[in-house]
Amino acid sequence: DQQVKQNSPSLSVQEGRISILNCDYTNSMFDYFLWYKKYPAEGPTFLISISSIKDKNEDGRFTVFLNKSAKHLSLHIVPSQPGDSAVYFCAASDGGSQGNLIFGKGTKLSVKP
Amino acid sequence: KAGVTQTPRYLIKTRGQQVTLSCSPISGHRSVSWYQQTPGQGLQFLFEYFSETQRNKGNFPGRFSGRQFSNSRSEMNVSTLELGDSALYLCASSSGLAMGEQYFGPGTRLTVT
Repeated sequence: DQQVKQNSPSLSVQEGRISILNCDYTNSMFDYFLWYKKYPAEGPTFLISISSIKDKNEDGRFTVFLNKSAKHLSLHIVPSQPGDSAVYFCAASDGGSQGNLIFGKGTKLSVKP
Repeated sequence: KAGVTQTPRYLIKTRGQQVTLSCSPISGHRSVSWYQQTPGQGLQFLFEYFSETQRNKGNFPGRFSGRQFSNSRSEMNVSTLELGDSALYLCASSSGLAMGEQYFGPGTRLTVT
């Protein structure tokens, strides 16, 4: 049973527009959420995180929104660039298992010039 | 700081053999987590070591084991390899404290024939 779900396997966006990647979770014990980006033949690269005490965290072009009541988070990339094309993973953890991240299956983002 | 390094990067083994993978974390990080990535299952948590002790364990058979040395370097061993063990094995390091991001190495691509 998947605790972290990314329901869109792929997303295509035009360069300069906004990319919105979505993630849903089922475990209400999750209190920390992360987004990773992964290029082929490389390990995932940490992008941005958010604690459950916040509903928004921003870092440059990347913003993560958390809606705890809906158990939903989203990653916004504005403006999207061709170099953002990669697979994006949403991950979650509960405070008692710092070393155990539960990952979604990823969304492949393609940003077209 | 140097990033997380994993050796070897690629490995081909025969069914029934055993394999040992190595991971060197970021300097100062005391936690090392291991994940298996396959196309069908995504990234799945294997286990985490913190200060030479296994702190968390995922839902994998006992053929998968690991250890951590006093310098925080970690090894993962898989015995009696099966075809289904073919995957990208990723190691991630972190400080081991709550709400900490994990930083991933490039992975070891294991192919079992």
